[in-house]
Amino acid sequence: DVKVTQSSRYLVKRTGEKVFLECVQDMDHENMFWYRQDPGLGLRLIYFSYDVKMKEKGDIPEGYSVSREKKERFSLILESASTNQTSMYLCASRAQVLQVDFGSGTRLTVV
Amino acid sequence: EDQVTQSPEALRLQEGESSSLNCSYTVSGLRGLFWYRQDPGKGPEFLFTLYSAGEEKEKERLKATLTKKESFLHITAPKPEDSATYLCAVSLEYGNKLVFGAGTILRVKS
Repeated sequence: DVKVTQSSRYLVKRTGEKVFLECVQDMDHENMFWYRQDPGLGLRLIYFSYDVKMKEKGDIPEGYSVSREKKERFSLILESASTNQTSMYLCASRAQVLQVDFGSGTRLTVV
Repeated sequence: EDQVTQSPEALRLQEGESSSLNCSYTVSGLRGLFWYRQDPGKGPEFLFTLYSAGEEKEKERLKATLTKKESFLHITAPKPEDSATYLCAVSLEYGNKLVFGAGTILRVKS
């Protein structure tokens, strides 16, 4: 079974802080994703990466950046956290046409 | 525009009362359709993949079917532990992204 591990289950950060969310997968998948999930809005794609150092913007990239220096690790960076970035963040990985496998999520609160 | 719509938004069932959840899609080209289950505060858990119209998959009390425009998740004799949000997603013919529906919140009462 694929394992996607997110480093934190819960985070509380202050407005203006730089925030790093880390994600590691153990199946050598090429594709990795960051989603955010909000009530009534469903899952929205922030960024995805299809190879080391390669990335593409998703539907809501504003205020976020990503880093993929190693195949197994994909980081989401909030350059200057704001209260409207309070959300559940989900990392996922995927091998070609197969299903996306999700991590357990990070509940981020920005105060 | 590629779109996935799930209905109903919420469904309340009595234990043992069978029903179906719907996922309709309007996409430029379908590579696959996926069903997930999500418990509160957790990441989505993969259930099924369907690739072509007419395909069916089963797991315990759940059965997923696919037509050219929609998919159904049938729940037979549900139990309270089936309570969760069920998400549908489609993989497009081009690119690596999945397009998700908003989900159906299922509550099964004993």
